[in-house]
Amino acid sequence: GENVEQHPSTLSVQEGDSAVIKCTYSDSASNYFPWYKQELGKRPQLIIDIRSNVGEKKDQRIAVTLNKTAKHFSLHITETQPEDSAVYFCAASMAGGSYIPTFGRGTSLIVHP
Amino acid sequence: GAVVSQHPSWVICKSGTSVKIECRSLDFQATTMFWYRQFPKQSLMLMATSNEGSKATYEQGVEKDKFLINHASLTLSTLTVTSAHPEDSSFYICSARRLAGPTGELFFGEGSRLTVL
Repeated sequence: GENVEQHPSTLSVQEGDSAVIKCTYSDSASNYFPWYKQELGKRPQLIIDIRSNVGEKKDQRIAVTLNKTAKHFSLHITETQPEDSAVYFCAASMAGGSYIPTFGRGTSLIVHP
Repeated sequence: GAVVSQHPSWVICKSGTSVKIECRSLDFQATTMFWYRQFPKQSLMLMATSNEGSKATYEQGVEKDKFLINHASLTLSTLTVTSAHPEDSSFYICSARRLAGPTGELFFGEGSRLTVL
């Protein structure tokens, strides 16, 4: 089955800095890679996703890059703000059909004001 | 956007009792719902996949007789923790995938915090 590794487990940055979280996956059949943000005690919420037919996707201060050959994808947050502090999870799966998404272990991002 | 409602958001029960948690997709139909358990500062641990009209598929190490899952309709799945013990105390989250949709995005419930005394 799919195996997703996520690094780092904890990331501490100063407000305004950039943050990068990296994930690798093992199953070359995976073609859908979402990122979820989970604030303390709340539900995970999708913040951005990417399909395997593109290499990069951007939405304001967040972007995701995908390298299919190397089987890794990354989340980039620029101009970080204290409200970006949360746990971020990556996942890998196959879009549509019957699939079970595999989540990374999560990265706790702390943005210091 | 799609909304998944989970109830109750928190529950305290005595050891030995059973607790039922509901997961509802409010504005879409979900053939598949997933149940997760999350310990503090840890990832989402998939417990089981709930399929409408059929038996749930449990992950290895999850006792199906202890964590009863029922998915009787396209909008409702329930998780019942039977004969709960303090070690069952955890944050339980459900997610649902839309019957129709291009991306397979998951929508999560608010989570249910179970405390077993």
